[in-house]
Amino acid sequence: ETGVTQSPTHLIKTRGQQVTLRCSSQSGHNTVSWYQQALGQGPQFIFQYYREEENGRGNFPPRFSGLQFPNYSSELNVNALELDDSALYLCASSLEGGQVTQYFGPGTRLTVL
Amino acid sequence: AQSVSQHNHHVILSEAASLELGCNYSYGGTVNLFWYVQYPGQHLQLLLKYFSGDPLVKGIKGFEAEFIKSKFSFNLRKPSVQWSDTAEYFCAVNSGTASKLTFGTGTRLQVTL
Repeated sequence: ETGVTQSPTHLIKTRGQQVTLRCSSQSGHNTVSWYQQALGQGPQFIFQYYREEENGRGNFPPRFSGLQFPNYSSELNVNALELDDSALYLCASSLEGGQVTQYFGPGTRLTVL
Repeated sequence: AQSVSQHNHHVILSEAASLELGCNYSYGGTVNLFWYVQYPGQHLQLLLKYFSGDPLVKGIKGFEAEFIKSKFSFNLRKPSVQWSDTAEYFCAVNSGTASKLTFGTGTRLQVTL
């Protein structure tokens, strides 16, 4: 069974640029959730994708957007990067519903200069 | 809105000491509760979860947690910690049928030899 994978591992961007992060879900999982983990904080929910559509969103501005593909993999796009976007971005895959376990990938460390 | 509080930000214990990490949540409806652990340099891993039934749940590596509905708490315990338990521990909750997780800010556990 393949776990959740994310790419790239690390990324350095400058303010105003755009970034795309990628996630491959665990085999058999159809739901992908994205979280932002700032230094010293717990992960904060960005949004979730199920059946290629956004299925819930946290308190993040529209410049955070995403996609899910037919193979359930997903992308997180962030436009007009700000310094505060520097964080670890985590992807988690699961089945749909509440009584499910989310399995996390290793994350992408984004640094915005 | 849901929120999760972890009051212990940094805990230092000697090996063989007993551990209890506090977790309180605010949500009046049905909840699903999780403890995740993040070892240094590794990704978030599930320690244990509670969906329903016996409020005392056992997880991996000798950890257990007790759901006390009247206190909105889900404290994590281990009778005897090991140096290898040094990690950051996160309590998380979701509600009902939504799998979006709300995390606490985490507790850094340092176990000394």
